[in-house]
Amino acid sequence: DGGITQSPKYLFRKEGQNVTLSCEQNLNHDAMYWYRQDPGQGLRLIYYSQIVNDFQKGDIAEGYSVSREKKESFPLTVTSAQKNPTAFYLCATRGDGTYSNQPQHFGDGTRLSIL
Amino acid sequence: RKEVEQDPGPFNVPEGATVAFNCTYSNSASQSFFWYRQDCRKEPKLLMSVYSSGNEDGRFTAQLNRASQYISLLIRDSKLSDSATYLCVVGNNNDMRFGAGTRLTVKP
Repeated sequence: DGGITQSPKYLFRKEGQNVTLSCEQNLNHDAMYWYRQDPGQGLRLIYYSQIVNDFQKGDIAEGYSVSREKKESFPLTVTSAQKNPTAFYLCATRGDGTYSNQPQHFGDGTRLSIL
Repeated sequence: RKEVEQDPGPFNVPEGATVAFNCTYSNSASQSFFWYRQDCRKEPKLLMSVYSSGNEDGRFTAQLNRASQYISLLIRDSKLSDSATYLCVVGNNNDMRFGAGTRLTVKP
């Protein structure tokens, strides 16, 4: 989606290593999300943030951490505690949280693999 | 029972065919409904929102049946470029649930 930039596109993690995935947006959207997609499964929510300096755990937050220091940025750290990190990671944004029927828009994703 | 369920397919149809997908959901309080398409190894892209009265966008028609808790997507006059995985998304605000997707292949 235009306006949401994820980097890197591919990332490899060594055992015991923390890695950080970047998500930047210029859509001026309040809400930002991190999802994980595994083959044959629907997207699962890791963390979300509705406002700067605030974020909430999703369904599978264990082994992950986030920060929201700026409206434009919502980086995700995959820690060494996440034992099965290999997946496709998707960042999404949503405009004006007041309206529940606003759809989410996705960045082009980061593929993370274990070395 | 999964919160959002879709027939995984694959659906293999010839060009010009009409194809329909259903998606059932378990949370009767859901207020937001969407269809996304996802191409192989790419991000999901919004196809259309689903409104209570049903809505149409060109060859695509979406319907919502609250009583039976499902949404549907109808594609008429299928094109080769419609080949993709179609995801249904159901929920409220920050609690959106994704189906695993239905794979469609349109063949010449």
